[in-house]
Amino acid sequence: SAVISQKPSRDICQRGTSLTIQCQVDSQVTMMFWYRQQPGQSLTLIATANQGSEATYESGFVIDKFPISRPNLTFSTLTVSNMSPEDSSIYLCSVEVPGRANTEAFFGQGTRLTVV
Amino acid sequence: QQPVQSPQAVILREGEDAVINCSSSKALYSVHWYRQKHGEAPVFLMILLKGGEQKGHEKISASFNEKKQQSSLYLTASQLSYSGTYFCGTERVDSSYKLIFGSGTRLLVRP
Repeated sequence: SAVISQKPSRDICQRGTSLTIQCQVDSQVTMMFWYRQQPGQSLTLIATANQGSEATYESGFVIDKFPISRPNLTFSTLTVSNMSPEDSSIYLCSVEVPGRANTEAFFGQGTRLTVV
Repeated sequence: QQPVQSPQAVILREGEDAVINCSSSKALYSVHWYRQKHGEAPVFLMILLKGGEQKGHEKISASFNEKKQQSSLYLTASQLSYSGTYFCGTERVDSSYKLIFGSGTRLLVRP
């Protein structure tokens, strides 16, 4: 299993500003994933963060808007830049670790972002 | 390319059964199932690999039909604690290691 600490748990931000979300894992993992979940909706993958290389972004997400850092195997940050009210959402980091059958995904508790 | 889940919502009485389906248009390597309670992170339930296996965890089991790229989650003799939103996460053969989640199924179990 993996224990993920995500900070902050929630924030209210002014439009036009940026927020950096931190994700700390209690074990070394190869890949970390960042998701966005709007209220009552499913989880949408933003990007995959590998240590030592640039993050891989999904369609509809760009590095200028969501820059990601992955300085080591236990830590990653996601920045939401130049925020607008449409960015209000829950952001979750996730890791996959070997399980009994295959890899299992674990999630942080999420960061609830409100942009005003 | 998001997998399709059905039904969107289910209301059960305690002790009743339910089936949640997940269907993909792409070839899958695995299907994961998660349950998310309000205000909490999704919690892993089980994973099914291609090969048509069926798995179980207490009174929750699942199957994966590799030919149809479909998976079903079976909730037997539901308990109040089963309430939440269930998501399937699919891992495609052509893009492994990342999960694409279905739209979710809201399950409410009433006494």
